[in-house]
Amino acid sequence: DIQMTQSPSSLSASVGDRVTITCRASQGISNSLAWYQQKPGKAPKLLLYAASRLESGVPSRFSGSGSGTDYTLTISSLQPEDFATYYCQQYYSTLYTFGQGTKLEIK
Amino acid sequence: EVQLVQSGAEVKKPGESLKISCKGSGYSFTSYWIGWVRQMPGKGLEWMGIIYPGDSDTRYSPSFQGQVTISADKSISTAYLQWSSLKASDTAMYYCARQGGNLPANFDYWGQGTLVTVSS
Repeated sequence: DIQMTQSPSSLSASVGDRVTITCRASQGISNSLAWYQQKPGKAPKLLLYAASRLESGVPSRFSGSGSGTDYTLTISSLQPEDFATYYCQQYYSTLYTFGQGTKLEIK
Repeated sequence: EVQLVQSGAEVKKPGESLKISCKGSGYSFTSYWIGWVRQMPGKGLEWMGIIYPGDSDTRYSPSFQGQVTISADKSISTAYLQWSSLKASDTAMYYCARQGGNLPANFDYWGQGTLVTVSS
């Protein structure tokens, strides 16, 4: 299986901050990476796919980048509704795997 | 509008069987893979397996192979996840999600989740 390691596991930030979350794969995944946002008690929501493509309706303050084994999710200016848990997922292999999650909390 | 609507919360005893459902609407149900994802209390997301309702081609995560059965009834646009003998460790939220394209792909739409509680 391809292992996905997210960092940090938790992060405290303030409204207006720029934050970056990293996801590292145990092998190259050729940009086959998605990012999801999950709020408490809710289903995950797709934010980006193919490492950098923004899902329709997702604010442009969210962006993704990376290649090979290393990928990042950046939120350019945190809004109150962005405080949530974020997961990466690789779909390079049909044995899909998720990162362990990054909880973004209000400072 | 694409929607995945899951069946309601379940409370079961160890050893009991269970089948939960996920009904798709607003798109061609037979043309998209449907996956199942487990989330144990306070934990992250785990992919369990996927099914293509068009021909019932099914793939399982090795971690869940033999532990659950994924099926679909295309006549009623519904996918299922079932257990023959539940354990306390099956207590979790279970999500179905539509895959956005041909294998492999990300999940683009998610159901609201079904909470399964297994307790004696």
